[in-house]
Parts: sequence; C-alpha cells; structure tokens
Amino acid sequence: AQSVTQPDIHITVSEGASLELRCNYSYGATPYLFWYVQSPGQGLQLLLKYFSGDTLVQGIKGFEAEFKRSQSSFNLRKPSVHWSDAAEYFCAVGPSGGSYIPTFGRGTSLIVHP
Amino acid sequence: DTGVSQDPRHKITKRGQNVTFRCDPISEHNRLYWYRQTLGQGPEFLTYFQNEAQLEKSRLLSDRFSAERPKGSFSTLEIQRTEQGDSAMYLCASSRGSSNQPQHFGDGTRLSIL
Repeated sequence: AQSVTQPDIHITVSEGASLELRCNYSYGATPYLFWYVQSPGQGLQLLLKYFSGDTLVQGIKGFEAEFKRSQSSFNLRKPSVHWSDAAEYFCAVGPSGGSYIPTFGRGTSLIVHP
Repeated sequence: DTGVSQDPRHKITKRGQNVTFRCDPISEHNRLYWYRQTLGQGPEFLTYFQNEAQLEKSRLLSDRFSAERPKGSFSTLEIQRTEQGDSAMYLCASSRGSSNQPQHFGDGTRLSIL
C-alpha cells in the first residue's frame, strides 16, 4: 500500500530564509507526486507535480521540488520565504497502478517570522 | 475555469440529523473525489467517481455515508444519523480523466455536530 510521511509537523523560518519541507513516500513503482498548499479555511492548491523525466520540478510561487528515487523522497524547497507563504503544506502520492486512491501526508505547518 | 464549488461552506446540526453536501466540479473534469479532513491531518480519501460511476467507495467511513453523482456533473455527499465524530471539513476535488492529472479542490464544507 502506498503511504506518505511528512516528518515535520511544524517548521518555523524567518522571512527571507530558505525553506525545505520533507516528504517520503512508499510505493512499489514510480509514483505520481504532488505538493499542495492550504491556507486556513480554504481548499488545497497545487504547487507542483512530478510524473517522470527531470527530477527537479518547478512550481508556482517560486517553489521547487526534487524527486530522489534512491531516498524515496520528494522534498519541497524555496530559496527565500515570504510572510505570505505561511500555510499548511501537503505532499501527496497520486492514484496509479490500478488504484483510484490518492494518499496525502498529514501536512507540515509553515510559520514565518518577520 | 470557474473552480470547484462546494455548498454550504458551513453546516451546524444536532447529533442524529441527516446532512447533505453538494459539490460542483470544474465542468470539463470527469473525475470527482470526496475527502474528509480533520484538524491537523491531511485529506482522507472517502470515495471517487469517474463520470457518473462510483468506482471506489470502500473507504466511506460507515454505511451512514453515501455519495451520488447522478448525471456525471455535480455530486452530493450525505451523512445520515450524524455523530459527534463526524465533525470535520469535507473537501471535494475534481480532475481530468488521467491519473497523472492534479486535483482541483473546493474550499470545503465545515460540519459541526452539536
């Protein structure tokens, strides 16, 4: 069964600092991987996705993520965080291999200090 | 692209009552998902439709939960005989018809059981 682990429940950074949010997955084949962001009281918005090819993917709002098959990881990065980036971030493994069920991590809450 | 619309945004009801939520997906999307999200957790998959066919419903939380998508457009999620533990955010998402397509989420319906 597929699973997603986001080991950090909360991450606190200062505005302007770099950011890395960790995501590890468990899946038997090459997964479809996604990062979403959720602001309070709202639904999830897609930041970026990986299906195949270049392992470094660029997303919206200056985010990027790198797929590392050897480490089963898909970490999200941003070189300089803005106060508006404070939100909940979710890593997800998409449905594939005959399963219709996508799996989300429990999320990482990003706190940005001025 | 008008986005995924969910109605109502908030629902407060007494324990034991039935509730129904509506989701209007993006018009050209033939896949529709329902999730439950509790505080501090990621979205938990409930069920999935491809057009009007409900292809996965084993993750519905109990037989009190049911979903329909009668004409392959909007969908409803019904919870009968609500319980305190049903209090959560219920999210709807839609996507195009391939597993590598990202899901577009609505802003959710927050259910509170008194």
